[in-house]
Amino acid sequence: GESVGLHLPTLSVQEGDNSIINCAYSNSASDYFIWYKQESGKGPQFIIDIRSNMDKRQGQRVTVLLNKTVKHLSLQIAATQPGDSAVYFCAEASDTGRRALTFGSGTRLQVQP
Amino acid sequence: KAGVTQTPRYLIKTRGQQVTLSCSPISGHRSVSWYQQTPGQGLQFLFEYFSETQRNKGNFPGRFSGRQFSNSRSEMNVSTLELGDSALYLCASSLGTGVFGQFFGPGTRLTVL
Repeated sequence: GESVGLHLPTLSVQEGDNSIINCAYSNSASDYFIWYKQESGKGPQFIIDIRSNMDKRQGQRVTVLLNKTVKHLSLQIAATQPGDSAVYFCAEASDTGRRALTFGSGTRLQVQP
Repeated sequence: KAGVTQTPRYLIKTRGQQVTLSCSPISGHRSVSWYQQTPGQGLQFLFEYFSETQRNKGNFPGRFSGRQFSNSRSEMNVSTLELGDSALYLCASSLGTGVFGQFFGPGTRLTVL
């Protein structure tokens, strides 16, 4: 079946640097995308979302970019902090979010002090 | 406002037994979705309940079932447990049906011996 995948399983960055986490999706019918952060022992926490009619959306220190041509999604974290260390998942849904989320396999972000 | 709560947080069962997990959504939320998280398969959608009705179902065997009560609290049941059912079971609640505005609980860690 269709699924969402990630290019890098682990990303290590220095504190203060910018981080970029990538995600490829295969379902061209996907029209809603979300990035989640999951810390150890906790459930996924919503970071930012984007609909397919947009190619960029910004939040606090985070930016999501969507390239529908190549079915690619990325999460940019500015000035990465130790508290950003976690596993990051992208997720997609089709049919305007009425269907369930399909999650990627996750990328572990390690922030070095 | 209290978040999504799940009980119990940890559970150990043996093969062949059955288990019931509970999820209390955020006050006012009427939709509860359940997900299974394993290292091998990642996060996978189980089912969604809204107003006591199952609205959507993932690709899991019939041993996995759920229900929702009039106060929106939800339970999921797994019968005839298998070793492969060991996982973190997450529930997420939202105001309406679908994936918008889902907030996840901390999960129940189920270990099947």
